[in-house]
Amino acid sequence: AIQMTQSPSSLSASVGDRVIITCRASQGIRKDLGWYQQRPGKAPKLLIYDASTLQGGVPSRFSGSGSGTDFTLTISGLEPEDFATYYCLQVYNYPRTFGQGTKLEIK
Amino acid sequence: QVELKESGPGLVRPSETLSLTCTVSGDSVNDHYWHWIRQSPGKGLEWLGYIYYSGAATYNPSLRGRVAMSIDTSRNTFSLNLNSVTAADTAVYYCAREAFKVDDTTASVIYWFDPWGQGTLVTVSS
Repeated sequence: AIQMTQSPSSLSASVGDRVIITCRASQGIRKDLGWYQQRPGKAPKLLIYDASTLQGGVPSRFSGSGSGTDFTLTISGLEPEDFATYYCLQVYNYPRTFGQGTKLEIK
Repeated sequence: QVELKESGPGLVRPSETLSLTCTVSGDSVNDHYWHWIRQSPGKGLEWLGYIYYSGAATYNPSLRGRVAMSIDTSRNTFSLNLNSVTAADTAVYYCAREAFKVDDTTASVIYWFDPWGQGTLVTVSS
């Protein structure tokens, strides 16, 4: 199975900050990666798919990049509602595998 | 608007079978791939498997043959069965749609998980 390694596992930031979360695949996965946001007690929500395509309705402060093995999620100008846990998910092959998550907390 | 909702017992005894159903509204289960994912308390997300309308399924090998999924196109639902459960199977179980499209430029298939159900907590305990 492809291992997805996210970093950092937790991150403290302030409203208005720019943050970057990275995800590394144990083998090349082209651009077959999505980013998901999970607020406490809620289901994950799709933010980005195909590594860099913004899902409809998601604010433009979210952006994704990368291909192959290295990917990033950037949030430019944090809003209070962005403090949540973020996961990457590879959809290159089976079993589908998630990163371990990055918890974004308010500083 | 597509919505998914999980249903089933919230408590299952050890060694018994966990059974959940996901009801789909706003879309047909004859399209897309239909997945189950779980999240143990305070932990990350684990993909369990998927089923297609034809009945074809793929499961996570980590479940060691304990899992089976089925689909009912007449009811627009799909289901998860996990047998021989232990406390380690206590988790919030989510169903999700995996949609796809073909990229016009590259002809490659692009996949994404959306939407997800709200999740249902299943506790394994005697």
